[in-house]
This record gives sequence, structure tokens and C-alpha cells, in this order.
Amino acid sequence: GIQVEQSPPDLILQEGANSTLRCNFSDSVNNLQWFHQNPWGQLINLFYIPSGTKQNGRLSATTVATERYSLLYISSSQTTDSGVYFCAVSAMYSGGGADGLTFGKGTHLIIQP
Amino acid sequence: GAGVSQSPSNKVTEKGKDVELRCDPISGHTALYWYRQSLGQGLEFLIYFQGNSAPDKSGLPSDRFSAERTGGSVSTLTIQRTQQEDSAVYLCASSGWGYTDTQYFGPGTRLTVL
Repeated sequence: GIQVEQSPPDLILQEGANSTLRCNFSDSVNNLQWFHQNPWGQLINLFYIPSGTKQNGRLSATTVATERYSLLYISSSQTTDSGVYFCAVSAMYSGGGADGLTFGKGTHLIIQP
Repeated sequence: GAGVSQSPSNKVTEKGKDVELRCDPISGHTALYWYRQSLGQGLEFLIYFQGNSAPDKSGLPSDRFSAERTGGSVSTLTIQRTQQEDSAVYLCASSGWGYTDTQYFGPGTRLTVL
């Protein structure tokens, strides 16, 4: 099946700093989503971005499908940005397989005041 | 409804008992998914419904797991003869038309098997 690798696994920053999270995937995708899992475990949708660039406030994301990677940018970090960020993909050619999202292991982000 | 809802939010059971977990998708969403999140395995996909049918059940961890969806809406995930390794958070998601669409997740059911 498709492989998803996220980096870095852990990131500690001061409030106000900027960060870039990376997601590499091993095959063509027809779905790529970024999620933020808050301390209560809720997965919050950040972006649906199988290709292209999107921005939402302090967050933006870019997926370069031909090179099989996606980047999530967080600017002017706040303590409420802390949590785990997941990249998840659905393979374009699943061979009749599962049809769900395959998740990376996540980036654990801690923003210190 | 406003979002995906799941019940119960927490479930503690004894090894060997059966449990049933419920998911109410976003109104009008035709696709529904079950995932589970555990410390050792991360987030893993279990099963996908398009309408009331599940094209592929190979993601279910064992034959003790089953899922159904009725009326194109509510889904239940049933675990028979629970084992300690079934302890995890079970997450449900729904999307408008299929797996190429944005998936929205519910808050999850935390299952603890003693």
C-alpha cells in the first residue's frame, strides 16, 4: 500500500515563530488532507489539498503531486497551535483495495509561551 | 446534523464481552468510514461504506469485527468477544460522495477492554 512519511516527528517552538511540516508519499494520490488533532483527540480538518496551494489565515499548504510531497506552513505560531498534525492520503490506484485514508505518524508540535 | 457524532464517547468492557459503537454521519453524506487510533498502530483505516454497502472489508482486524450501515445514514461497528488489544479510540468519518472528497471526523469512542 501507499506509504506516508511526515517530518519532523517533533517540533518545539516559541510563540510567534514560523514552521514548516512536510509530508512525503510514495504513490499518486486522489485525496490529501491535513489534520490537527487537538488535546481532546478531535481531528480537525485543515486542508483538502491533493494538489496546488491553499491558505487559511495563518496556515497555508502546498502539494506538489508530481514530486509526491506536501508542505504545511504555520506562521506566527500561537500556543493553541500545539498538538499533532497529520497528513493523510488516498492512493489514486488502490487496485480495488481499501479506499480509506492512509495516515502518517504525525508531527507533534509544541508552542511555548 | 452539524457534524459527525459518535456514541458512546467512552466504553469500558470486560474481555470476552461484545460491544457496539455507533456513528451518525453528517446529514446527506453518502460515504462513511471507520478508523481506529492506538498507541502502537497509529491511525488505521478499517472499513468504508458507499451508501449501505462496503466494497472491501479487508481492513477489519479480525472476523470478530463487523460493521453495518442502514438507511444510508447511521452505522454500527460491532466487536465480538473483545480482547485487550482491541483497546483504542474508534473514529468515524463521513464525506459527501466518496473517498476523493473531504472526510470529516467525529470525536471518537474510547474503548477500554479490561
